[in-house]
Amino acid sequence: ETGVTQTPRHLVMGMTNKKSLKCEQHLGHNAMYWYKQSAKKPLELMFVYSLEERVENNSVPSRFSPECPNSSHLFLHLHTLQPEDSALYLCASSQGYRHNQPQHFGDGTRLSIL
Amino acid sequence: GQQLNQSPQSMFIQEGEDVSMNCTSSSIFNTWLWYKQDPGEGPVLLIALYKAGELTSNGRLTAQFGITRKDSFLNISASIPSDVGIYFCAGQQVDYGGSQGNLIFGKGTKLSVKP
Repeated sequence: ETGVTQTPRHLVMGMTNKKSLKCEQHLGHNAMYWYKQSAKKPLELMFVYSLEERVENNSVPSRFSPECPNSSHLFLHLHTLQPEDSALYLCASSQGYRHNQPQHFGDGTRLSIL
Repeated sequence: GQQLNQSPQSMFIQEGEDVSMNCTSSSIFNTWLWYKQDPGEGPVLLIALYKAGELTSNGRLTAQFGITRKDSFLNISASIPSDVGIYFCAGQQVDYGGSQGNLIFGKGTKLSVKP
């Protein structure tokens, strides 16, 4: 059981669909992260929000659009995705951004693009 | 970008054996973290290290922050079947502004334990 909850756990979508991934953290943290995990590659940081402001956007294509309405919730809006976007998308949170407090991860959303 | 070299990539061991894995870098890190990921789940933090030379244990797991600050090691003693999973190292550096940088992850070590 983790303090970071992601929904849905699995998502299959066509390239023309629009969907959203949701992340909620119950740890009282103020920084939240989106990572992409592909087979045999290191975790790739996509976005970082600190105190509900986006502070990192690591050259992620515009077909991925994050939203952080408050410090407990983070969304990743998806549209017009490509087959190479199929991966496990992990959300994480930490107490403080750019501090040495460890990040805690959710169980991820397994995304498959048809 | 910065990379961590994690080895071995995979290990097949007998239950009861000890396990060692490590992460190395050409650059200095000031924080090392070790995570474990079970199939279908997200990474779970095992051990966090903040000081060169630090040796920290969590049950049968022991991790060390290398004295050069360029490496870290994770040891598992007397392995059991539930140790199966992928182990990731992650490092954090101080950037030019003096702030902690983003986490950089290794590619993982996949551990298989034969009963």
